[in-house]
Amino acid sequence: SYVLTQPPSVSVAPGQTARITCGGNNIGSKSVHWYQQKPGQAPVLVVYDDSDRPSGIPERFSGSNSGNTATLTISRVEAGDEADYYCQVWDTSSDHHFVFGTGTKVTVL
Amino acid sequence: EVQLVESGGGLVKPGGSLRLSCAASGFTFSNYNINWVRQAPGKGLEWVSSISSRSSYIYYADSVKGRFTISRDNAENSLYLQMNSLRAEDTAVYYCARGMDGSGSGMDVWGQGTTVTVSS
Repeated sequence: SYVLTQPPSVSVAPGQTARITCGGNNIGSKSVHWYQQKPGQAPVLVVYDDSDRPSGIPERFSGSNSGNTATLTISRVEAGDEADYYCQVWDTSSDHHFVFGTGTKVTVL
Repeated sequence: EVQLVESGGGLVKPGGSLRLSCAASGFTFSNYNINWVRQAPGKGLEWVSSISSRSSYIYYADSVKGRFTISRDNAENSLYLQMNSLRAEDTAVYYCARGMDGSGSGMDVWGQGTTVTVSS
């Protein structure tokens, strides 16, 4: 089955840039979606199809995807960005499945 | 307001059954694929099942295949998850989530979740 690997944690100072990676075999050939989840809340879609933002999501959130790594970049980090972040792909290699990454806890110092 | 509201969670014994519901409002339910996603306590997100807008395509995670059944009633703007042969590892918050556009698309609307606890 397809596996997506994320770093367990990323720490960043306010105003700096956070980069969260999502590793998967040839992930560049798939569309990657990213979710933000704060404690006790449902996930929120922050980037879809590698680099598009839903309405209402700040431009500070951006995504890229190439080769074996997709990246979510949060620019000018704010305290309110502290949350868990998950990448996701639709895998059709053996069956049709959504796969979520292992998740990354972003801590704002 | 675009909204999804789950219900039906609760405490059930191992081997038991439970039926979750997800009520949609504020959008044309019959135009969208809908998904179930769960999250065990302190764990990450796990996709459970997806159903296309007209129920033509249905997919399950291997962990629930043969035990769970997803269905929808477009006339009632409702999604369901029939869960049988429940196990302790099925304990989780279950979310329904709308797919933006076709199979494999991002999930742009989520419910608040309903909690399922499987324990004797």
